[in-house]
Amino acid sequence: AQSVSQHNHHVILSEAASLELGCNYSYGGTVNLFWYVQYPGQHLQLLLKYFSGDPLVKGIKGFEAEFIKSKFSFNLRKPSVQWSDTAEYFCAVTHHSGGSYIPTFGRGTSLIVHP
Amino acid sequence: KAGVTQTPRYLIKTRGQQVTLSCSPISGHRSVSWYQQTPGQGLQFLFEYFSETQRNKGNFPGRFSGRQFSNSRSEMNVSTLELGDSALYLCASSGGQTAGYEQYFGPGTRLTVT
Repeated sequence: AQSVSQHNHHVILSEAASLELGCNYSYGGTVNLFWYVQYPGQHLQLLLKYFSGDPLVKGIKGFEAEFIKSKFSFNLRKPSVQWSDTAEYFCAVTHHSGGSYIPTFGRGTSLIVHP
Repeated sequence: KAGVTQTPRYLIKTRGQQVTLSCSPISGHRSVSWYQQTPGQGLQFLFEYFSETQRNKGNFPGRFSGRQFSNSRSEMNVSTLELGDSALYLCASSGGQTAGYEQYFGPGTRLTVT
């Protein structure tokens, strides 16, 4: 079965610090990759996605992620975090099976940014 | 466009009872997926429906079931509730043909089993 690992469960940063959240997956075939964010009291929403093409993808609010196929990784980065980035971040992977896609989510990383 | 809506938002049930949760996807979306979210396990995939057919199912016992109607609205049912079923149940809809495309999540139904 496919698995998604998010190495950092809790991250605490000060504003303007750089952020990198790790995500590794286990499936060896073709995958679609996502990062979702859940701000306090809000719905889960898409931050960015990778289907194919340029492995460096840019999302909303200055976030970017790099797909490294050889490492089965899709790490999320932001050069300078803001207090408003405090949220839960989820990495998700879908792989094609039996005519449709199977989604698997990581357990999430809680990010707290101090002003 | 209205987002994904879920009803009820909060629910308290007793062990052994059953519960039905409802989800209305974004207009035009035909794929609806359900997830269980808990602090320790994150989001776990329950099942996906497309055109009234269950397309995929996660690793949950048969007490968890669902269905989708012709207007793409979906319900999930949990029978014989256990304490461990307490969780936030999320519904997500997708405009693509499957959950392989980006998903739009609802606010969730918070189920507490006592």
